[in-house]
Amino acid sequence: DTGVSQDPRHKITKRGQNVTFRCDPISEHNRLYWYRQTLGQGPEFLTYFQNEAQLEKSRLLSDRFSAERPKGSFSTLEIQRTEQGDSAMYLCASSLRTSGRAGTQYFGPGTRLLVL
Amino acid sequence: KNQVEQSPQSLIILEGKNCTLQCNYTVSPFSNLRWYKQDTGRGPVSLTIMTFSENTKSNGRYTATLDADTKQSSLHITASQLSDSASYICVVSPVSGAGSYQLTFGKGTKLSVIP
Repeated sequence: DTGVSQDPRHKITKRGQNVTFRCDPISEHNRLYWYRQTLGQGPEFLTYFQNEAQLEKSRLLSDRFSAERPKGSFSTLEIQRTEQGDSAMYLCASSLRTSGRAGTQYFGPGTRLLVL
Repeated sequence: KNQVEQSPQSLIILEGKNCTLQCNYTVSPFSNLRWYKQDTGRGPVSLTIMTFSENTKSNGRYTATLDADTKQSSLHITASQLSDSASYICVVSPVSGAGSYQLTFGKGTKLSVIP
């Protein structure tokens, strides 16, 4: 399967704990995006990378959130000192940017986080 | 503020029937508009993509239309199947190079196809 993969698929944690999610994009894609989606809402943009560079971060991305893409391939999203409001589906997507066109974003299956 | 509004919020139809989902947006200028299908508990999957100069795009039983003047798009599903039950999300992309690339997502229309 050469699609976008995310790990874990589900995570239950206690308030105050740190969690880390991983995303493996489609191998030739140079852009990688993180979104958060709550029930009944569309995805909300968090941040994106072009290769290893983090080019944009949403205001939703508080200081407790950090994302990395150290080698321009997989990415991690860490949430420190989790709060109940962090409970959501965290989606990763990737795309191939060529000649000024961003390309279609292909989404992974998501990581569903529940903070107790 | 860029917004994407979808209607109806939810829809129930009988298997085999047609339906049309609506999307109104205020993103301007915009680069392209996409419709995604999202099954429960899974990531969205792209159905169609249209630039501002395109009026219609088909993908099997899915046909998307775009009116850039009125800033409206629709997704028409013909001969619905049980597997069409999902949320359908309208996504508008701003013109690249104008600062933020950020996509604007609608909240989606939850479609239920019943036998």
